[in-house]
This record gives sequence, C-alpha cells and structure tokens, in this order.
Amino acid sequence: GQQLNQSPQSMFIQEGEDVSMNCTSSSIFNTWLWYKQDPGEGPVLLIALYKAGELTSNGRLTAQFGITRKDSFLNISASIPSDVGIYFCAGQGRVQGAQKLVFGQGTRLTINP
Amino acid sequence: GAVVSQHPSRVICKSGTSVKIECRSLDFQATTMFWYRQFPKQSLMLMATSNEGSKATYEQGVEKDKFLINHASLTLSTLTVTSAHPEDSSFYICSARGGGWQPQHFGDGTRLSIL
Repeated sequence: GQQLNQSPQSMFIQEGEDVSMNCTSSSIFNTWLWYKQDPGEGPVLLIALYKAGELTSNGRLTAQFGITRKDSFLNISASIPSDVGIYFCAGQGRVQGAQKLVFGQGTRLTINP
Repeated sequence: GAVVSQHPSRVICKSGTSVKIECRSLDFQATTMFWYRQFPKQSLMLMATSNEGSKATYEQGVEKDKFLINHASLTLSTLTVTSAHPEDSSFYICSARGGGWQPQHFGDGTRLSIL
C-alpha cells in the first residue's frame, strides 16, 4: 500500500544531542501526525499539524507541516534516554475515497548514555 | 486526553481457536475505529476501517470472513480472528478517531500467538 518516505530509518546518538527526522510524500495531506511507539505498545500521538507551514512544539519536540503539504519534519532537542523508541510520521487524508492514515516506515532512535 | 483501551494485551492459543479483541474509546465518542496489523520491525498496516452501525471496509487482501469486525457503539469495536492459525500470529492494534479531522489515538495493541 501507499507509504510515506521517512528518513533516516535509524539513528544512534549520544544523550543530549539533537535529533531530526523527516517524511516526504508524493501526495498532499490535510493533516500530518507524529507518533512514538515503544516496544510492545501502541503508538502515542506526539504532535498533530493541521495547516501548511504550521510549526508546533510539544516540550522538547518541534514539528512542521511543509508548505507544499507533502512533507513534515520532527526535531527533538537535548535527547534523553526515554526518547528511545520508534517514531512514525503519518499523513491523514482521503485515500481511495476514505479518510485514512498513511504511515512512514519509522525511525528507530537509539541513545547512548 | 483521548484514551483508547485495547483488551486483551496478549493471547496465546491453539490453532483453530477464534479470538476476540476489544477496542474501547474511554473518554470520547469514536465515529470511526481502525484495525491495524504490525509485523516485527515494520510499520502499521491498515486492515479495516469501521464506522459505528455500519459494515467495516476492508483493505485489499484482508479476508473479511477471517477478520470479523463489529462496531456496535460509538465507544466499542471488536475484531474476531476466526479459526486462527500460526500465520495469523502478529501484533494487532486498534485506533479510534472522533469526528472531523481529529487525529487517531491508538490502543496498546494485542500480541496474538497461535501455537
């Protein structure tokens, strides 16, 4: 099925470093979402973006909805051990006539203390 | 915030057993609920979309007679894996969304293991 192109696929960083990941799509989406998934659990919503160009922060997390509505990035500043996990971007819009989420492949974040 | 409860969290059963998984929105009314399947180290794959009071819409390749979905109320959807076999073993996750452009909120998933 349709997927977003999310990069990087994995990141290995030192605690305290900043993190940046992004998603691109060939399709336009009305909403961009960023989720974090810990092992054995469901994804948890981090940030929701509703307008092209919108820049939104949630604590140390900042995300932007690209002006073309085809991309988004997520930044994490001053990473801490609990940031470890898999981050998924998701575009929400009409896919084949129904409103659905299209997910990126995920970015696995590993932090060395 | 929006809370979605999924139960059970883990099921281990014999081949041929039917397994029911429940998904509840605890503090909001979910006009639409979704069921996903996730294989190890992969992204979520949408199986079906269900709207309260109507039949579920299944994604291409998902057997509707194998994966029965019922969405009888605005707060409850169930997925029944009928006559489960080892190849049905996976992590199943539900999500729920209120009206308009509200985002989907996910349950904690159900790890299904068929022996």
